[in-house]
Amino acid sequence: DGGITQSPKYLFRKEGQNVTLSCEQNLNHDAMYWYRQDPGQGLRLIYYSQIVNDFQKGDIAEGYSVSREKKESFPLTVTSAQKNPTAFYLCASSTTDSPNEKLFFGSGTQLSVL
Amino acid sequence: EDQVTQSPEALRLQEGESSSLNCSYTVSGLRGLFWYRQDPGKGPEFLFTLYSAGEEKEKERLKATLTKKESFLHITAPKPEDSATYLCAGAMNTGFQKLVFGTGTRLLVSP
Repeated sequence: DGGITQSPKYLFRKEGQNVTLSCEQNLNHDAMYWYRQDPGQGLRLIYYSQIVNDFQKGDIAEGYSVSREKKESFPLTVTSAQKNPTAFYLCASSTTDSPNEKLFFGSGTQLSVL
Repeated sequence: EDQVTQSPEALRLQEGESSSLNCSYTVSGLRGLFWYRQDPGKGPEFLFTLYSAGEEKEKERLKATLTKKESFLHITAPKPEDSATYLCAGAMNTGFQKLVFGTGTRLLVSP
C-alpha cells in the first residue's frame, strides 16, 4: 500500500543531543513537508521540499535541519539549538499539480526531552 | 496576517444529534479550504477540499460548505466512531502548497 512512514513513533532526546526523525514515502510525490504540532496550537510548518536536493524554510525552521537526497526520503534533524523540542512531528507529502494538492500525512513521531 | 480560527474548541454530542463545526479564515488569496480528521496519536486524514464560495462536498455523515469568510463542517446523525479532532486549513495563493491550520475542534460523540 502506498503511504508515508515515519519512525520512530516515540523518541527521547537528552540535553545537547541532536536527533533525527525519519520520513519515507512511496506515493511518488515531489513535495514533502515537516510540521510540528503542539497542544492547543495549529500545525506549524518547519521545512518543505518541492524537488530533490532543494528545500526551503517554513515558519519555524530555527533549530531544525533537513536533507532531500532522494525523492522518497525527507529526514528531519532536531538540533541542540532547538530549546523546546517536545512536540508531535508530522511528515507529509503532496503532488505539485494544482488543484490536487491535498497533503498525505504520516502517523507522526512524538519527541520528548529527558 | 493569514489566520484560520475554528470553533468551538470542543463539542460533545449524543449519538444522532446533528451539529456544525465552524472555520473562519482571513487568508490572502485563498485558493483552497481543506478539512482533515485527526485521531489521537495519528496523522491527519484528508476529508475535503473546497475551492469556491457556494461549493459543497459530502462524505457519509459529513458535509462541508464554503462561503467567502468561513466554512462549515456539518455532521448529521453522528456515531461514536466520528469522535476525533477536525482540522481546517487554508491554502495560500503561493507557488506551492502552504497551509495555514486552525487549532481544531475536538468532537466527542457519546452512545
